[in-house]
Amino acid sequence: AQSVTQLGSHVSVSEGALVLLRCNYSSSVPPYLFWYVQYPNQGLQLLLKYTSAATLVKGINGFEAEFKKSETSFHLTKPSAHMSDAAEYFCAVSWGNQGGKLIFGQGTELSVKP
Amino acid sequence: DVKVTQSSRYLVKRTGEKVFLECVQDMDHENMFWYRQDPGLGLRLIYFSYDVKMKEKGDIPEGYSVSREKKERFSLILESASTNQTSMYLCASSSGPRGGLQQYFGPGTRLTVT
Repeated sequence: AQSVTQLGSHVSVSEGALVLLRCNYSSSVPPYLFWYVQYPNQGLQLLLKYTSAATLVKGINGFEAEFKKSETSFHLTKPSAHMSDAAEYFCAVSWGNQGGKLIFGQGTELSVKP
Repeated sequence: DVKVTQSSRYLVKRTGEKVFLECVQDMDHENMFWYRQDPGLGLRLIYFSYDVKMKEKGDIPEGYSVSREKKERFSLILESASTNQTSMYLCASSSGPRGGLQQYFGPGTRLTVT
């Protein structure tokens, strides 16, 4: 079965440090890829998406992600963490032949230390 | 801006009660989705709908049903609530054929069944 794996359920960084959240998917067919962010007591907000255009995708709030087909990965990065980045982040994948259904990773909770 | 609203942010129900969770979107989206979110499991798809009066089962439909009588409204029904249905429920919508791509999420309903 197709799946999405986020490595690390909790990641902690210092303010100003690099943020790296990992996402891998299991399929030889390139999917559409998404990163969503969820702030406490809120719904999910789209950070960025890859839909078979440029492999390096820039999103909101200074985040970006790179699609690497050979590694079946779509890791999320931000050069310098801010306190306001503390939230839960979800990687999601969709394949065109599955009617827009999203498969989500387990989520990674990001903490930012002052 | 796309707006997806859910009828309640917090809900407490007793075991055996019939529970209705309502979702409304204001962007004329064809597609609507219901997910439940549990710690460590990410989001799992319960039901979805590509059009009025149609529905399709997601990955975990057992114990749930849905109704879509109008394009903008998608209801999730727990016929007889059980404690294992205590969870966060998220509604989403999207445009485009057969599910579209980007999904827009509501703020969620945190349901507790006692």
